[in-house]
Amino acid sequence: AQRVTQPEKLLSVFKGAPVELKCNYSYSGSPELFWYVQYSRQRLQLLLRHISRESIKGFTADLNKGETSFHLKKPFAQEEDSAMYYCALGSGSRLTFGEGTQLTVNP
Amino acid sequence: DAGITQSPRYKITETGRQVTLMCHQTWSHSYMFWYRQDLGHGLRLIYYSAAADITDKGEVPDGYVVSRSKTENFPLTLESATRSQTSVYFCASSESLWGGTEAFFGQGTRLTVV
Repeated sequence: AQRVTQPEKLLSVFKGAPVELKCNYSYSGSPELFWYVQYSRQRLQLLLRHISRESIKGFTADLNKGETSFHLKKPFAQEEDSAMYYCALGSGSRLTFGEGTQLTVNP
Repeated sequence: DAGITQSPRYKITETGRQVTLMCHQTWSHSYMFWYRQDLGHGLRLIYYSAAADITDKGEVPDGYVVSRSKTENFPLTLESATRSQTSVYFCASSESLWGGTEAFFGQGTRLTVV
């Protein structure tokens, strides 16, 4: 069975500091991995996907199949990055999410 | 308007009552999902559907029923509501689950069972 784990429920950093949100997964096949973000009072929305190898709002995430991880990183956090971040795994007909990490960027 | 909408946005119901949460999408996406969002548990999959008349259980299906007679609608029914079903419910749809295809979420329904 597929599983997504985000070990940190809360993460607090100062503006300008680097940030890393951890995501580990378990899945026997080839995973489709995503990061979704939920800003205050907004809908959950896609931030980035591993297949694109893109950088969105300064965030990047690299799929490490050996460590079964898909950590989200940003070198310099901004206050507007404060939100709930979810790692997600697409497999078969299911889209499974982790527990989420609430990121707070302090001024 | 194109998109995915949930109704109602807020609902208070009593223990033991049946309640149905509605979800409608205008894109004709094949895949639809229902999640509940609870503090400390993140988003947990209740039911999902790969097409009309095809549904399957997710992680936490007990106490819930779904149907999908039309591609655009995916209602979620709590047959006999319990307090543990107090939560925020999100519906989502996606054209595909491959190639990094994005899932789109509704605005959520906040359900309180008293």
